[in-house]
Amino acid sequence: QSALTQPASVSGSPGQSITISCTGTRSDIAVYNYVSWYQQYPGKAPKLMIYEASNRPSGVSNRFSGSKSGNTASLTISALQAEDEADYYCTSYTSSSTLVFGTGTWVTVL
Amino acid sequence: QVQLVESGGGLVKPGGSLRLSCAASGFSFSDYYMSWIRQAPGKGLEWVSYISSSGSTIYYADSVKGRFTISRDNAKNSLYLQMKNLRAEDTAVYYCASGLWRQLWSFEYWGQGTLVTVSS
Repeated sequence: QSALTQPASVSGSPGQSITISCTGTRSDIAVYNYVSWYQQYPGKAPKLMIYEASNRPSGVSNRFSGSKSGNTASLTISALQAEDEADYYCTSYTSSSTLVFGTGTWVTVL
Repeated sequence: QVQLVESGGGLVKPGGSLRLSCAASGFSFSDYYMSWIRQAPGKGLEWVSYISSSGSTIYYADSVKGRFTISRDNAKNSLYLQMKNLRAEDTAVYYCASGLWRQLWSFEYWGQGTLVTVSS
């Protein structure tokens, strides 16, 4: 199972919105809604930001939103803040009963 | 509060074995599915294994199948990963993570990780 494809980096200015894409296949994102997004600061454990493609866990800012269309999922961060600078990973359940992570995207706040 | 504390990492030679443990507290461990997820130095996250709340359902990544064994002891609130025939490419920080309540394949709580280094 190959990793889901994410852009290596995305950047934006404070207050702007950015979107991170996550491209999978017909064996994962396209057929399952079990898509999650995680935020990870360097040297720290990941934090769940989105589950089931578009749902936010309790306590996660509503500046973070998720969506899915076909074999691509997306994470949008609106009103970008300095604290949003981190790595972001998508995940998807697969038809092989496994979980696959995305390649990761580093978000830079200019 | 919820705590997941991994232990058992260290330096091991190629072909060697290691057993990781994850001690859970602050929640009803026996009600939650769990996974091990690893991250090689400077690399991305990689899912390793999953175990259901009862332990009856287990899945592995192809990269570790046949070499790693996940298990849990609900009476001890503990998760384990037995690793055998270790390879250099198994070098990583290993995280244990607990599932999100009533949602599949999402991990709400994570430990701080334990480093496994496979080197001669």
